[in-house]
Amino acid sequence: DVKVTQSSRYLVKRTGEKVFLECVQDMDHENMFWYRQDPGLGLRLIYFSYDVKMKEKGDIPEGYSVSREKKERFSLILESASTNQTSMYLCAISTLAGPDEQFFGPGTRLTVL
Amino acid sequence: GEDVEQSLFLSVREGDSSVINCTYTDSSSTYLYWYKQEPGAGLQLLTYIFSNMDMKQDQRLTVLLNKKDKHLSLRIADTQTGDSAIYFCAVSNQAGTALIFGKGTTLSVSS
Repeated sequence: DVKVTQSSRYLVKRTGEKVFLECVQDMDHENMFWYRQDPGLGLRLIYFSYDVKMKEKGDIPEGYSVSREKKERFSLILESASTNQTSMYLCAISTLAGPDEQFFGPGTRLTVL
Repeated sequence: GEDVEQSLFLSVREGDSSVINCTYTDSSSTYLYWYKQEPGAGLQLLTYIFSNMDMKQDQRLTVLLNKKDKHLSLRIADTQTGDSAIYFCAVSNQAGTALIFGKGTTLSVSS
């Protein structure tokens, strides 16, 4: 069974704080993704990475950065959290071979006060 | 840019068939996907169809693909209350590096 874990299910932070969201996979998959999910807006891609130390901007990268120092770990960083970053954050992984099926983690619901 | 559209809500009675529709703008995707998200959980792949196929059946699920009209549908036969969830249509982006998701259709099943 594919396992994608996210460091927290629920997180509450204050405006201006630096926030780290971690995603860890046990499948040795090359591709890792960070999305945010908001009601009525669906999933929007923030950043993705297809290899260690590689990163690509998605559709809404502003206010976020990422880090991939090891293949199994992909971190999303909010340098200075703002209230409009309150959202559900979903991590996903996929492999380069075959259908690009993505496997998702359970999500982190972040509230910024 | 690429876009995937789906209606936001669908309400059916238990035992009826549900049909969730999706339209997309870019036809270069090799596979087209349906994901399901249950309350409080991440997304799970429900089924997918190869772009050369018109139809795929998997137990209660039927996927229909009309490439000419860029229309994808998911039919759930004998819908159960456990099918209540958000269903996302997804296609690959032009570069083949990521998936583009629709906004999701919330399926509500009443008994």
